[in-house]
Amino acid sequence: GENVEQHPSTLSVQEGDSAVIKCTYSDSASNYFPWYKQELGKRPQLIIDIRSNVGEKKDQRIAVTLNKTAKHFSLHITETQPEDSAVYFCAASNTDKLIFGTGTRLQVFP
Amino acid sequence: DTEVTQTPKHLVMGMTNKKSLKCEQHMGHRAMYWYKQKAKKPPELMFVYSYEKLSINESVPSRFSPECPNSSLLNLHLHALQPEDSALYLCASSQVSDRAYEQYFGPGTRLTVT
Repeated sequence: GENVEQHPSTLSVQEGDSAVIKCTYSDSASNYFPWYKQELGKRPQLIIDIRSNVGEKKDQRIAVTLNKTAKHFSLHITETQPEDSAVYFCAASNTDKLIFGTGTRLQVFP
Repeated sequence: DTEVTQTPKHLVMGMTNKKSLKCEQHMGHRAMYWYKQKAKKPPELMFVYSYEKLSINESVPSRFSPECPNSSLLNLHLHALQPEDSALYLCASSQVSDRAYEQYFGPGTRLTVT
């Protein structure tokens, strides 16, 4: 079955800096890769996703890149703000079953 | 309306109680999910309903019993739970397609078993 590894587990950055979170997956059949942001006590919120027919997708300060050959994908957040502080989960799927990474706790210091 | 709602927000129950968690969506989605999330961990899939039929059951103990009365509603019936079942229970929904689709989560029910 699919296995998703996520690094780093914690990430601290200064406000305005960039943050990068990386995930690798094992199942070459996976074709959908969403990223979720979860603030403390809140629901996971879909922030961006990418499908395997695309190499990069951007939405304002957030971008995701996918390398199908290497089976890894990354989340890039530019110009970080304190409100970006949260836990971020990557996931991979080719069906209705999402396999989540272990999460990255991002802290943005003012 | 792009929202999934869940009730109650919080639930405290004893090990001999019977209770139910409820989930509702009005996005026209035909797939609905129950996840369990422990602190500092990712959501763990419990059940998937597709077109009101159970399509995935991740070997969850029988003290958890899902029900999908119609395409907008999903229930999780709880009976004889253990303290280790204390967690955030999340509902999600998505379109049904021959490819993976975006899943939208509800706010969750924080369950404490005493």
